[in-house]
Amino acid sequence: SAVISQKPSRDICQRGTSLTIQCQVDSQVTMMFWYRQQPGQSLTLIATANQGSEATYESGFVIDKFPISRPNLTFSTLTVSNMSPEDSSIYLCSVEYGQGTYTFGSGTRLTVV
Amino acid sequence: AQSVAQPEDQVNVAEGNPLTVKCTYSVSGNPYLFWYVQYPNRGLQFLLKYITGDNLVKGSYGFEAEFNKSQTSFHLKKPSALVSDSALYFCAVRDNTGGFKTIFGAGTRLFVKA
Repeated sequence: SAVISQKPSRDICQRGTSLTIQCQVDSQVTMMFWYRQQPGQSLTLIATANQGSEATYESGFVIDKFPISRPNLTFSTLTVSNMSPEDSSIYLCSVEYGQGTYTFGSGTRLTVV
Repeated sequence: AQSVAQPEDQVNVAEGNPLTVKCTYSVSGNPYLFWYVQYPNRGLQFLLKYITGDNLVKGSYGFEAEFNKSQTSFHLKKPSALVSDSALYFCAVRDNTGGFKTIFGAGTRLFVKA
């Protein structure tokens, strides 16, 4: 399976600012997935990032709030823009490596104050 | 629409005792079923999956799960719990008749007491 390096591992940010989360994969992958895990809740898919095309966002998530870049087959970034305390969550990137099995980054724990 | 339910927010077991973490699902076609574990301050790790074949699947760290089509369940089990098994466990389902999106359950927190 692929290995994903995700950073930062955690951050405390002021409301109104933006944070960019990076994920580096040790192999080339077609799709990368970004999830949000709010405190005490399950994972919610934010968007799917394909290299060379616009990301596909799930219902409730928009590009202006969560812009995604996918410049090559091993790297992606997710930006959380104009943050509010409601954005405090764990953000996870992941890739699929076979028959629906995912490997995940270690997560970014974001606190907005 | 596909869905997955984990009816227990928390499961408490004593070390050495068997453990079960429950999961039920709903999909329109044939499901792919998964269990993932999240240890404190770490990302999710894949434990095991059911695609087809033998209803009893074995995974990492001594865990196993049984696919029961009639009850639409995929309960996670381990014969003898360890304190180090204490973590958050997620069941996930993927419907392979369309969409290919994976849905995660709400998670069950397992506490194993020494």
